[in-house]
Amino acid sequence: AQTVTQSQPEMSVQEAETVTLSCTYDTSESDYYLFWYKQPPSRQMILVIRQEAYKQQNATENRFSVNFQKAAKSFSLKISDSQLGDAAMYFCAYRSKEARYAGGTSYGKLTFGQGTILTVHP
Amino acid sequence: EAQVTQNPRYLITVTGKKLTVTCSQNMNHEYMSWYRQDPGLGLRQIYYSMNVEVTDKGDVPEGYKVSRKEKRNFPLILESPSPNQTSLYFCASSPTRGGGYGYTFGSGTRLTVV
Repeated sequence: AQTVTQSQPEMSVQEAETVTLSCTYDTSESDYYLFWYKQPPSRQMILVIRQEAYKQQNATENRFSVNFQKAAKSFSLKISDSQLGDAAMYFCAYRSKEARYAGGTSYGKLTFGQGTILTVHP
Repeated sequence: EAQVTQNPRYLITVTGKKLTVTCSQNMNHEYMSWYRQDPGLGLRQIYYSMNVEVTDKGDVPEGYKVSRKEKRNFPLILESPSPNQTSLYFCASSPTRGGGYGYTFGSGTRLTVV
């Protein structure tokens, strides 16, 4: 079974500065997807960025980018030019690139880390 | 608007009183799933459904039931709620059975069992 670990329960950053959130995962699979989700106080789960494991190029979405190290099984999120609206809980998640449905607890599942609360100071 | 609609948003109930949390999606997604979110544990999968009449257990299915009689609806049933089921619940859907699509989430249900 896959596991995802976020070792930073809380992080803080000054507005306009850069912060990096860490995520490591464990899997025996070679092809999979990784995600970062943002959960603001409204509780809504918002997809921030997605990375395909077979793509070596790190994904980027505006001020958000990832550092994907496949061999090290590391998937960190960098937020540049932090804004007050970036304050939220951030979750790292893993999803297999499965083929056919064969049942079982892992089918189609997004496996989440524990989350990191990000505070942005003005 | 493409969305997952989850109701109610807040619910307080007493131990043993059956309840249902509804979930509906308007995106014609095959895959739907229920998660619970607890502090320090992240989100854990309760049940999922690959399509109509096809459901299977996730990591924490005890005390929960689901059904998928229509493609758009995937209700979560707690037949005899207990205080350890106090949690934040999310319904989610995905357009394919796996792969690069993330989930579209509902807005969450905060359940308190007293």
